[in-house]
Amino acid sequence: SQTIHQWPATLVQPVGSPLSLECTVEGTSNPNLYWYRQAAGRGLQLLFYSVGIGQISSEVPQNLSASRPQDRQFILSSKKLLLSDSGFYLCAWSVSRESSPLHFGNGTRLTVT
Amino acid sequence: KNQVEQSPQSLIILEGKNCTLQCNYTVSPFSNLRWYKQDTGRGPVSLTIMTFSENTKSNGRYTATLDADTKQSSLHITASQLSDSASYICVVSTAYGTDKLIFGTGTRLQVFP
Repeated sequence: SQTIHQWPATLVQPVGSPLSLECTVEGTSNPNLYWYRQAAGRGLQLLFYSVGIGQISSEVPQNLSASRPQDRQFILSSKKLLLSDSGFYLCAWSVSRESSPLHFGNGTRLTVT
Repeated sequence: KNQVEQSPQSLIILEGKNCTLQCNYTVSPFSNLRWYKQDTGRGPVSLTIMTFSENTKSNGRYTATLDADTKQSSLHITASQLSDSASYICVVSTAYGTDKLIFGTGTRLQVFP
């Protein structure tokens, strides 16, 4: 069966520090991978998605970047965190088929102080 | 503008009772509509996915309906349990793939004994 791992679960970082969140998927090949951010009282916002190794699409210009160094590994990074980067970050995967469900990880709660 | 609106924002019911959550959308073109359940501090979990031609789909005690003409959907929960306490998120996909999902802000359901 397929599983998705996302870590860390919680993170407190000072403003200006770097960030690296990692997500890995097991049990499937060539998944579509996604990074979402969820702010309180707002719907999930798509940050990045990838349909293959090295292929990254950005939905919202921001202080963050994403990379996909391996087929089932997706990394969210920042060189210098801002206060506004605080939030709940979710990694997800899906197969490349219309109407296929998104499978989410359990998220990382990031607090920038 | 593509939007998904959910009502009510929050709901409190007693264990064993039924409830219905509403979702109205103004998304075009339309591909499918999804309902997710999100426990506090966890990632969303898919409940149902309905395409244009489907007007009802069940997953255990959860039954989703879709009226594509009026652009409305509902999620009915039968015989609620304490474990149903969660946020329920309505998501509409445009015809351009799973990377074009419009998320509602969710309904927060609390089930009390």
